[in-house]
Amino acid sequence: EPEVTQTPSHQVTQMGQEVILRCVPISNHLYFYWYRQILGQKVEFLVSFYNNEISEKSEIFDDQFSVERPDGSNFTLKIRSTKLEDSAMYFCASTRFSSYNEQFFGPGTRLTVL
Amino acid sequence: GIQVEQSPPDLILQEGANSTLRCNFSDSVNNLQWFHQNPWGQLINLFYIPSGTKQNGRLSATTVATERYSLLYISSSQTTDSGVYFCAVLPSRGYSGAGSYQLTFGKGTKLSVIP
Repeated sequence: EPEVTQTPSHQVTQMGQEVILRCVPISNHLYFYWYRQILGQKVEFLVSFYNNEISEKSEIFDDQFSVERPDGSNFTLKIRSTKLEDSAMYFCASTRFSSYNEQFFGPGTRLTVL
Repeated sequence: GIQVEQSPPDLILQEGANSTLRCNFSDSVNNLQWFHQNPWGQLINLFYIPSGTKQNGRLSATTVATERYSLLYISSSQTTDSGVYFCAVLPSRGYSGAGSYQLTFGKGTKLSVIP
């Protein structure tokens, strides 16, 4: 069964460094998402992406964040200058036809900012 | 925005017991999903259930969209069922056609199944 994959599974970085989290959505899916979960808290929406542009973003998704689909398979989340409070689990998700459909989540990348 | 309330927040079960987890939401939805977050932090899709009833093994879920709630049933619980169960919803699009792409998650129910 096709699944969303994410790399790396765990990333440790120093405050102020740039990180890129990578996701490979399910191949015939058209909508892509990033969510994050700070330890012990609920999962929060960051951004949705369709047709090579952002379709919606939350107030968390400020100028430090960017997303890109550099080729036909990868979907990336970049954090330009990491802060301690960016430490969280980051989940990528995708849906096939529309946001109404089931969102399939990847296993997550645990980001630790020191 | 839409509010999602899950109950109970914590639940401790003896192995073999049954349980019901509840998710209430404050507005109409186009999508409702249940997830299990395992001890490694991974989110496992359990059900996509904007309405009706579905079953998958020992788990089943029912959503009554008109009354704005969903229930997740776990029967004959096992220690591997431990973890946090999240409900997440996608609000319906408004009359203008504008709507949300984002799933809004509840705070979860932390389930501990003890042998």
